Amino acid sequence: EAGVAQSPRYKIIEKRQSVAFWCNPISGHATLYWYQQILGQGPKLLIQFQNNGVVDDSQLPKDRFSAERLKGVDSTLKIQPAKLEDSAVYLCASSREVGAEQFFGPGTRLTVL
Amino acid sequence: DAKTTQPTSMDCAEGRAANLPCNHSTISGNEYVYWYRQIHSQGPQYIIHGLKNNETNEMASLIITEDRKSSTLILPHATLRDTAVYYCIVRAIYNFNKFYFGSGTKLNVKP
Repeated sequence: EAGVAQSPRYKIIEKRQSVAFWCNPISGHATLYWYQQILGQGPKLLIQFQNNGVVDDSQLPKDRFSAERLKGVDSTLKIQPAKLEDSAVYLCASSREVGAEQFFGPGTRLTVL
Repeated sequence: DAKTTQPTSMDCAEGRAANLPCNHSTISGNEYVYWYRQIHSQGPQYIIHGLKNNETNEMASLIITEDRKSSTLILPHATLRDTAVYYCIVRAIYNFNKFYFGSGTKLNVKP
């Protein structure tokens, strides 16, 4: 079974630029999560999708972050414009259903200069 | 908003059992205890979860106290590859509550 795929693995941008991350969950997984992990901290949930609907985006900075999961499969997370404090690893995870084991991708390391 | 307390770091000798404690004194009746670990530069990996009975799988054992206010993750024979950050999380299953990862315990397995 293929795991969760993410791209790119690394991205360096300057502040005020835009960036987008892509995630392909495990086939058949209804629930998809985006986490932000700042160096030295545990992952923080940004947004959770159930199929193509958002069920929790309470910690997503909506003035600059957006995410979508068209057709309930792949997902993209966008930051526009980026700030220095957005430097972090962005992790995508998926699970068969809410409450089930989450499988994580390798993450995208974002550096904002 | 973390509901768990874990030591910042622990050391363990290779081949010995690693016992990682977690306090969750405010756990409610419908909340499970989950353990994940994160090896350097990788995404977190699920280890085990339980409600009130002790659980064992091929990776680890989970011991939950009778009052459910604390638990211990046991890696029976730690190897160098078990060096990672271990996260203890409580969450009610089958709802949309968030996973709070906290800062976890950095386990250093030494030769």
